[in-house]
Amino acid sequence: AQKVTQAQTEISVVEKEDVTLDCVYETRDTTYYLFWYKQPPSGELVFLIRRNSFDEQNEISGRYSWNFQKSTSSFNFTITASQVVDSAVYFCALRGSFGETSGSRLTFGEGTQLTVNP
Amino acid sequence: DTAVSQTPKYLVTQMGNDKSIKCEQNLGHDTMYWYKQDSKKFLKIMFSYNNKELIINETVPNRFSPKSPDKAHLNLHINSLELGDSAVYFCASSQGRGSLSEQFFGPGTRLTVL
Repeated sequence: AQKVTQAQTEISVVEKEDVTLDCVYETRDTTYYLFWYKQPPSGELVFLIRRNSFDEQNEISGRYSWNFQKSTSSFNFTITASQVVDSAVYFCALRGSFGETSGSRLTFGEGTQLTVNP
Repeated sequence: DTAVSQTPKYLVTQMGNDKSIKCEQNLGHDTMYWYKQDSKKFLKIMFSYNNKELIINETVPNRFSPKSPDKAHLNLHINSLELGDSAVYFCASSQGRGSLSEQFFGPGTRLTVL
């Protein structure tokens, strides 16, 4: 069984602060894929990043960065110099590869509501 | 151009009614999904179709019946609607059912059952 845990239900920061959203996952698969999605107040789900289990390199995209640590089964997401427009619910998700059926579904964490105050 | 579209965006209906939500993707993908997001924002997969074949069918009441007339469409029909069906339903698509490609989501359909 797969599981994704986002222990932080809500985070509130002041603009320009850095903030890290935690994600811990469980899977028996040796090959798997991790994702982050953003859900702004408008409700759509926006893909942010995909990472496969063989690639532990950290990634940076503008103010966003991701820290994948297989040893601790974590895939944390940091926003540097946060902005009000970053306010959203952020979801971490996992997709395994064992068997094609398991490989298709995304298992989501419960989401972290980030509020960036001016 | 909208990649994954859903209609309607909002759906308000009475208990006991039957309703359908339509989904279309113009990405040329061969796999489509339905997810349900409850009031606590928890997202869970309901169904997945690959080339019109049902490949994932989670523990969902049989009042919910997906139908895929072709690769680009996956509709969700719900019979005898109940209060607990109120949620946001997201359609998604991807290329391949076990591949690396990410799933692209539609804008969601907010269903309210009164």
